[in-house]
Amino acid sequence: DADVTQTPRNRITKTGKRIMLECSQTKGHDRMYWYRQDPGLGLRLIYYSFDVKDINKGEISDGYSVSRQAQAKFSLSLESAIPNQTALYFCATSDSAGAGETQYFGPGTRLLVL
Amino acid sequence: QQQVKQSPQSLIVQKGGISIINCAYENTAFDYFPWYQQFPGKGPALLIAIRPDVSEKKEGRFTISFNKSAKQFSLHIMDSQPGDSATYFCAASGDFGNEKLTFGTGTRLTIIP
Repeated sequence: DADVTQTPRNRITKTGKRIMLECSQTKGHDRMYWYRQDPGLGLRLIYYSFDVKDINKGEISDGYSVSRQAQAKFSLSLESAIPNQTALYFCATSDSAGAGETQYFGPGTRLLVL
Repeated sequence: QQQVKQSPQSLIVQKGGISIINCAYENTAFDYFPWYQQFPGKGPALLIAIRPDVSEKKEGRFTISFNKSAKQFSLHIMDSQPGDSATYFCAASGDFGNEKLTFGTGTRLTIIP
């Protein structure tokens, strides 16, 4: 979805390096999410934010941190990358209260940690 | 703890056949059940969704069947086409304070001629 962009699209880094993945959206949504996708494990939630001042841990937040710089921007950082953080990372947005929200995903960032 | 179990992990169906993917959930507070479709190199996108007040929802060739008592729901793709080849994720969420989606592990569907 062109309304949700992620940079970079591909990244190779070395163990111990700090890296940042960025997400921007033009949908005007207040909610943003970071997921990682691994074969056989599906999509797992890392962090989510329901507004600029709200940051919440997901099910697999260890080793990650986030920053919500503005309503439209949500960045994911790997403080000290390790090989098992090699995965496909997705940012998503939604704009609804209550159950039934549709999440709109970006195109993903493929990360390889050597 | 996985709250949404999805099967099979992969599925091969002949063109024109019916593709069936199953999911089971544990949390009875879930009240929204979407299916997402993901093509290679793309992010997932909402395909179809159902709420537990109905047992079936149909949109074109795609149908969700929902069994509340068994805590199961499934996606049926009728007249499957090569363009349906993708990874499919079931998910669930509930209105209990933070409306996050819990995803299944995904099914890679391949439609062969």
